[in-house]
Amino acid sequence: NAGVTQTPKFRVLKTGQSMTLLCAQDMNHEYMYWYRQDPGMGLRLIHYSVGEGTTAKGEVPDGYNVSRLKKQNFLLGLESAAPSQTSVYFCASSYAGWETGELFFGEGSRLTVL
Amino acid sequence: AQRVTQPEKLLSVFKGAPVELKCNYSYSGSPELFWYVQYSRQRLQLLLRHISRESIKGFTADLNKGETSFHLKKPFAQEEDSAMYYCALIREETSGSRLTFGEGTQLTVNP
Repeated sequence: NAGVTQTPKFRVLKTGQSMTLLCAQDMNHEYMYWYRQDPGMGLRLIHYSVGEGTTAKGEVPDGYNVSRLKKQNFLLGLESAAPSQTSVYFCASSYAGWETGELFFGEGSRLTVL
Repeated sequence: AQRVTQPEKLLSVFKGAPVELKCNYSYSGSPELFWYVQYSRQRLQLLLRHISRESIKGFTADLNKGETSFHLKKPFAQEEDSAMYYCALIREETSGSRLTFGEGTQLTVNP
């Protein structure tokens, strides 16, 4: 039982390049989330999904797109990477939304944009 | 605005000393608050939630509505408590509720 798995774990991009981060969960959770973690700013919600085929914007959605074609996968895309998107990205999932407050996190993906 | 604030980015204590990680919140109703912890090279995980009134790994957190605080406390810190700690609040928005995190406090427990 792997829980929440993120790939890749590290990536270096040049400004303007595109990439996709993949999040996979094997807990049959309905809800999935993408957060970014920056020093002094905590975790900020980028996008989230309340079920297969649905997505919604979080606090900092600009410059990112997401897709949830399969229940177990939640993809985060950067169409044209910018240095401001240098961050550690965390995917998380939960069974019943935020009500319980318990999210299950992946190990994080460190992205550097030069 | 509904938010949580952790005023200390860094906190350093000696092993065996008491530790208190501060969390203040602004919320108009009855808040639901949580503490998350991230140990070195491990995943972020839920430590405790105020509604459970539980003690996990010797940590407790009491909701103080008068002071709008939810400080995390432990009477005798251990080296293995060194980690990043996040306070979190369920925030209500027109689009639904969501979990919002504070800035985080890096705790170092020195031998």
